[in-house]
Amino acid sequence: GENVEQHPSTLSVQEGDSAVIKCTYSDSASNYFPWYKQELGKRPQLIIDIRSNVGEKKDQRIAVTLNKTAKHFSLHITETQPEDSAVYFCAATGGTSYGKLTFGQGTILTVHP
Amino acid sequence: GAGVSQSPSNKVTEKGKDVELRCDPISGHTALYWYRQSLGQGLEFLIYFQGNSAPDKSGLPSDRFSAERTGGSVSTLTIQRTQQEDSAVYLCASKLRLQETQYFGPGTRLLVL
Repeated sequence: GENVEQHPSTLSVQEGDSAVIKCTYSDSASNYFPWYKQELGKRPQLIIDIRSNVGEKKDQRIAVTLNKTAKHFSLHITETQPEDSAVYFCAATGGTSYGKLTFGQGTILTVHP
Repeated sequence: GAGVSQSPSNKVTEKGKDVELRCDPISGHTALYWYRQSLGQGLEFLIYFQGNSAPDKSGLPSDRFSAERTGGSVSTLTIQRTQQEDSAVYLCASKLRLQETQYFGPGTRLLVL
């Protein structure tokens, strides 16, 4: 089955800096890669996703890049703000997995004012 | 419209008791997933429903865990003879069958004493 590794486990940045979180996946059949943000005690919320036929996608301060050959994808947050502080999860799905998501272990992002 | 809802939001039980967790998906979402999130961990897939059928139960950790879905809507996850290691947040997600985005409920926080 699919295996997703996520790094780093914690990330601390100053407000205004950029943050990058990286994930690798194992199943070459995976073709959909969402990123979820989870604030303390809240439900995971989709912030951006990318499909395997696209190399990069951007939405305001958030961007995701995908390298299918290397089987890795990354989340980039620019001009970080304190409200970006949360746990971020990458995930992968595709092939015959019925859409079930395999998640990375999460990254705790802290943005210091 | 209304999002995914789950009940109860919190459940404290004694070891050996049975518990039932409920998920109300977004109206019209035929695909429903249960995930488990242990403290400080990523989300772990449990079971997938398409309509009332469960073609993928591969994530259920033991035969003490079962789930059903009725009317293509509400789903119930039952844990029999609960153990302390069952303590976790149980999350439900739903999506339209032919779309990829999963929408999560707020979760049920289960504590087994």
